[in-house]
Amino acid sequence: EAGVAQSPRYKIIEKRQSVAFWCNPISGHATLYWYQQILGQGPKLLIQFQNNGVVDDSQLPKDRFSAERLKGVDSTLKIQPAKLEDSAVYLCASSLDIQGTRGYTFGSGTRLTVV
Amino acid sequence: RKEVEQDPGPFNVPEGATVAFNCTYSNSASQSFFWYRQDCRKEPKLLMSVYSSGNEDGRFTAQLNRASQYISLLIRDSKLSDSATYLCVVIAYNQGGKLIFGQGTELSVKP
Repeated sequence: EAGVAQSPRYKIIEKRQSVAFWCNPISGHATLYWYQQILGQGPKLLIQFQNNGVVDDSQLPKDRFSAERLKGVDSTLKIQPAKLEDSAVYLCASSLDIQGTRGYTFGSGTRLTVV
Repeated sequence: RKEVEQDPGPFNVPEGATVAFNCTYSNSASQSFFWYRQDCRKEPKLLMSVYSSGNEDGRFTAQLNRASQYISLLIRDSKLSDSATYLCVVIAYNQGGKLIFGQGTELSVKP
């Protein structure tokens, strides 16, 4: 089974620029998550989708971050404008069901550096 | 207070040592518990689930104490390849089933 695909693998941008990340979950996985992992910390949930609907975006900084999953499959996460503190690894994960009872699979992540 | 808190690291141990990691969680509605392993510059990967009765997988033993809201991971006979960051993870289904991670504890096993 193919895993969760993310791109790009690395991205370096200047502050105030925009950036977008892409995620393709495992086929058939209805639930998709975006996590932010700052160096030395555990991953923090940014947004959770169930199909193409948002389940939880309570920790998404909505003044600069946006995410969509229009057709209930692929998802994009955008930051506009970026700040230095956005430097982190952005991890996408998917699960078969909203409860995650059959496990979660993470992508390799996108490492963002804001300079 | 953080939802999931772990021992601050790093832990530096010699090969063959036994090492224990501790974790506490604040949400009493938490229902599922896991240990994930994360290698440097890699994504987290499931190491093992944690059950109320305790469970063992080879050299790894996980324990859960619901009354104390405490989870532990014991690694026996540690190997160089065990060097990684270990993340304590809980799911509270009253929070939509999302994974809530601790900050991680880094383990370095030395020859």
